[in-house]
Amino acid sequence: KNQVEQSPQSLIILEGKNCTLQCNYTVSPFSNLRWYKQDTGRGPVSLTIMTFSENTKSNGRYTATLDADTKQSSLHITASQLSDSASYICVVSASYNTDKLIFGTGTRLQVFP
Amino acid sequence: SQTIHQWPATLVQPVGSPLSLECTVEGTSNPNLYWYRQAAGRGLQLLFYSVGIGQISSEVPQNLSASRPQDRQFILSSKKLLLSDSGFYLCAWGGQSNQPQHFGDGTRLSIL
Repeated sequence: KNQVEQSPQSLIILEGKNCTLQCNYTVSPFSNLRWYKQDTGRGPVSLTIMTFSENTKSNGRYTATLDADTKQSSLHITASQLSDSASYICVVSASYNTDKLIFGTGTRLQVFP
Repeated sequence: SQTIHQWPATLVQPVGSPLSLECTVEGTSNPNLYWYRQAAGRGLQLLFYSVGIGQISSEVPQNLSASRPQDRQFILSSKKLLLSDSGFYLCAWGGQSNQPQHFGDGTRLSIL
C-alpha cells in the first residue's frame, strides 16, 4: 500500500535553533518527493521537489534530503524563525500516475521566542 | 505570474443544503486542476482532478461532484450536504509531472 509517514507529529523549538523533520514512504514506483509548508488556514506552499537522482535540494534555510534506497527524506530547517511555525507536509508522487500525490499527515512545528 | 483564487474563504451551511465552491486560475492555460479535502489530523485527500474542459476524474465515491466549464475554472458542488462533508477544501493547479502543484488558500466548510 502506498503510504507516506512523517515524524514527529509535532515539534516545539526555540527561535534560532535548527530542526530536522523526517519522512518515510512506501510509494512505488517512485517519481518525485515534495515538501510543502502550510500555514494555519492557508493552502500548502511548495518548498522543494526532488526526483530519484537528487540527494539534496535547498531553498533558503530549508534543505531537503532524499535517500531513494531506504525511501527516506528529511527536511532540515536552519536558524529557525517565528515565521517557520507551520505544518510541513511530505508528498510523494508515483510514476504510474503523477497526478495522484500521496500526502503525509504533516509535522506541526512551533517556534517560540 | 500564475495565481489561483478560491472563494468563499469560509462557509457555514445547514445539513441538506446545496454547495458550490469556485476556483479560478490566472496566468496559465490548460492547467491540470485538482480538488482536495483536508480533515483535521489527516493528509490531503484528492477528490477530483481535471486535465481539460469537461474532463473530470473522481477519486472517491462521495456526495460531491465537480465541473470544469472553462479552461481555468473548477467548481465543486453538492446537491445535499452531509455532516461528514465538513472540512478544509483546497483547489490546486499543476502542469508538468515533476512540477509542484500550486494551491489556493482553501475554503473552510462547516456543516451544522
